[in-house]
Amino acid sequence: KAGVTQTPRYLIKTRGQQVTLSCSPISGHRSVSWYQQTPGQGLQFLFEYFSETQRNKGNFPGRFSGRQFSNSRSEMNVSTLELGDSALYLCASSLAGQGNGYTFGSGTRLTVV
Amino acid sequence: SQQGEEDPQALSIQEGENATMNCSYKTSINNLQWYRQNSGRGLVHLILIRSNEREKHSGRLRVTLDTSKKSSSLLITASRAADTASYFCATDRNNAGNMLTFGGGTRLMVKP
Repeated sequence: KAGVTQTPRYLIKTRGQQVTLSCSPISGHRSVSWYQQTPGQGLQFLFEYFSETQRNKGNFPGRFSGRQFSNSRSEMNVSTLELGDSALYLCASSLAGQGNGYTFGSGTRLTVV
Repeated sequence: SQQGEEDPQALSIQEGENATMNCSYKTSINNLQWYRQNSGRGLVHLILIRSNEREKHSGRLRVTLDTSKKSSSLLITASRAADTASYFCATDRNNAGNMLTFGGGTRLMVKP
């Protein structure tokens, strides 16, 4: 079966712009979570969506937002980009409930110049 | 913020040797998971151990969990060059959803 698909793979944006990243989870997975990975801060949780509702949120400013559609696909948006937003953004999907492990996509590499 | 630390930060061994990575965390957990990442790509789920388990095996992987010390270890036996990657532990402590807190990772290099 298809894995978690993230688009685009690479993105270059200018400071002040906004960006939207997309994640298609594994079929049947209703939980989608997003993570930011940077050399300085490592892997940090952004937010999780389940059945179109944000269920958990990490400690990121309001410039970071997301949503989930009825088919479980999710998007995250970053507005007013800063240089420090340059990172690998990873999406993970899992079945509902705890302890099932997560399947990650290959990520979107965002560079802000 | 990260849940804890991984030790060592980097490890270099010869093919065939065993590799041990340690992870410490700070709060109570529901389960602890280990992931592998190759060259800044996506994370691959390796193994999950629940808080009421002490040891788990999967192929060449052996994971232990000591909740009293808030620590876990990952042992890779008979390592191969293909095991070269970064390894991360992640704790899952939220009973109301899916939210992982990652350690800083161990960069493993296996020399042929």
